[in-house]
Amino acid sequence: QKEVEQDPGPLSVPEGAIVSLNCTYSNSAFQYFMWYRQYSRKGPELLMYTYSSGNKEDGRFTAQVDKSSKYISLFIRDSQPSDSATYLCAMQSTNAGKSTFGDGTTLTVKP
Amino acid sequence: SAVISQKPSRDICQRGTSLTIQCQVDSQVTMMFWYRQQPGQSLTLIATANQGSEATYESGFVIDKFPISRPNLTFSTLTVSNMSPEDSSIYLCSVEGMGPNSYEQYFGPGTRLTVT
Repeated sequence: QKEVEQDPGPLSVPEGAIVSLNCTYSNSAFQYFMWYRQYSRKGPELLMYTYSSGNKEDGRFTAQVDKSSKYISLFIRDSQPSDSATYLCAMQSTNAGKSTFGDGTTLTVKP
Repeated sequence: SAVISQKPSRDICQRGTSLTIQCQVDSQVTMMFWYRQQPGQSLTLIATANQGSEATYESGFVIDKFPISRPNLTFSTLTVSNMSPEDSSIYLCSVEGMGPNSYEQYFGPGTRLTVT
């Protein structure tokens, strides 16, 4: 069993929809939870970061962490075609730079 | 933040040959990571490269197949040796963030390798 499982997708939504991307994990030592966005033919870039449990909002993006359920989510409100990308969840047990990544969910937002 | 460049951006190679991928960072970093990403699959860590010491390889990856050099704090190379079609993948180098942001990783644009 993988340490991090991500909803596989692909996901296709109309512009303006609310998108929910989800990951579960098994390692209770994970403390740092990240979401990376990867455009086609580019490397991943950090989108959101949360330490421990709780919510974090940044514009149209909200990251949620529920450590009791070992479940994290990324919500995108008012999705735009420019949000079309692969989204990877990532986790670390310490602030040490090397993360464990989910397999990624490919999102397409149609105009 | 760190800006990372990789060379080559893509290559098509014959089986049995070797390819060396270069990774250049615009700032000095302690740890550099090499990943493989196959289509529709996650990032798989190959090895961690610290300057001045031998790279640390993850399970399933060996130095003879993926030798790594780390001659200074801004540069590293990964060689894919004796290639087979199964080595066709995207290879990414990555560095950790600085100071309190070391949870973050910065990635290069990747090297797209096709082995025929």
